[in-house]
Amino acid sequence: DTGVSQDPRHKITKRGQNVTFRCDPISEHNRLYWYRQTLGQGPEFLTYFQNEAQLEKSRLLSDRFSAERPKGSFSTLEIQRTEQGDSAMYLCASSLRYNLDNEQFFGPGTRLTVL
Amino acid sequence: AQKVTQAQTEISVVEKEDVTLDCVYETRDTTYYLFWYKQPPSGELVFLIRRNSFDEQNEISGRYSWNFQKSTSSFNFTITASQVVDSAVYFCALSEANMEYGNKLVFGAGTILRVKS
Repeated sequence: DTGVSQDPRHKITKRGQNVTFRCDPISEHNRLYWYRQTLGQGPEFLTYFQNEAQLEKSRLLSDRFSAERPKGSFSTLEIQRTEQGDSAMYLCASSLRYNLDNEQFFGPGTRLTVL
Repeated sequence: AQKVTQAQTEISVVEKEDVTLDCVYETRDTTYYLFWYKQPPSGELVFLIRRNSFDEQNEISGRYSWNFQKSTSSFNFTITASQVVDSAVYFCALSEANMEYGNKLVFGAGTILRVKS
């Protein structure tokens, strides 16, 4: 399977705990995006990387959230001191920088439940 | 700021009926892309169609067709002869068309489509 993969698929945690999610993009894609989707809503942009550089962050990304893409390949999204409002589906997508069609390919998502 | 509005929260049709999903967008960009994605119960977003702002030609791809009208900022999507497997949440999305920037997607709230047999 050469698509975008995410791990874990589901995570249940208690309020106040830290969690980390991983995203492996399509191998030749240099752009990687994180989105968050709450129940009944469309995905909302969180942040994106071009290679290893984090070039844009949404105001939704509070200081409890941090994302990295250390070698320009996989990425991690960490949430510290989780709150119940963090419960959502976290989606990762990847694309090619010079793809005129701007098609983003999405992974299956990580569903986070904060108790 | 960019915004996408999908006024239809939920639509129910009987199999083989045609169904049109509405999408209205707002942007100050002169060049942009519009997309439709499908999200089945499994959760993964599946790309369906794309249209750039340069080209208002409407097309048909299999059972899918779309109507892009810049004058009314609308990008409606039609499924012809719907099938039960079409049941899913459908999202309209917008991004700027600039290779140098991130081209993040701005999504609407989605329309739940239920196709009954």
